[in-house]
Amino acid sequence: GIQVEQSPPDLILQEGANSTLRCNFSDSVNNLQWFHQNPWGQLINLFYIPSGTKQNGRLSATTVATERYSLLYISSSQTTDSGVYFCAGDSGNTGKLIFGQGTTLQVKP
Amino acid sequence: NAGVMQNPRHLVRRRGQEARLRCSPVKGHSHVYWYRQLPEEGLKFMVYLQKENIIDESGMPKERFSAEFPKEGPSILRIQQVVRGDSAAYFCASSRNDPMGAQYFGPGTRLLVL
Repeated sequence: GIQVEQSPPDLILQEGANSTLRCNFSDSVNNLQWFHQNPWGQLINLFYIPSGTKQNGRLSATTVATERYSLLYISSSQTTDSGVYFCAGDSGNTGKLIFGQGTTLQVKP
Repeated sequence: NAGVMQNPRHLVRRRGQEARLRCSPVKGHSHVYWYRQLPEEGLKFMVYLQKENIIDESGMPKERFSAEFPKEGPSILRIQQVVRGDSAAYFCASSRNDPMGAQYFGPGTRLLVL
């Protein structure tokens, strides 16, 4: 199966700072999603982005499918952005999402 | 629109008891997936179901675990004779018509085995 590598594993930001999270895949993926797991454990869908660029408020994501990576940009970070960010993909249209180990983000006031 | 519903949100069981976790997908979604998140770990795929069919159960432990998605009613993940190692967060997700497309996750059920 595919391997999903996320970097950095941990990130501490001051409120208002910008950041870029990266997700590398060992093979091509068809369904690529970004999630935010908040401190209460809930998984929030951020983006479904198998290719291209999308933006939603202060968040945007870019997937370069041919290079097998995706980036999540967080601008003007807020304390409510804290939590763990996961990327996940499915290599064979099987519906079986393979998750990375996550990036743990802490935004300090 | 209601999202994916899971209940209970928290479940405490003693070793040897049975745990039943329920998942109601987004209205109109016919594909359901179960994932498990062990403490301090990422999420791992368990099983993929459509109505009345198990499509892929390659992530399910071979014993004690079973899943169903009947024609009527929620999907059920059943764990028999629970052990402490089953303590985890169990997430259900659903997608619209086929595995190509976004999966929407429920709030999870946190199982604690004493």
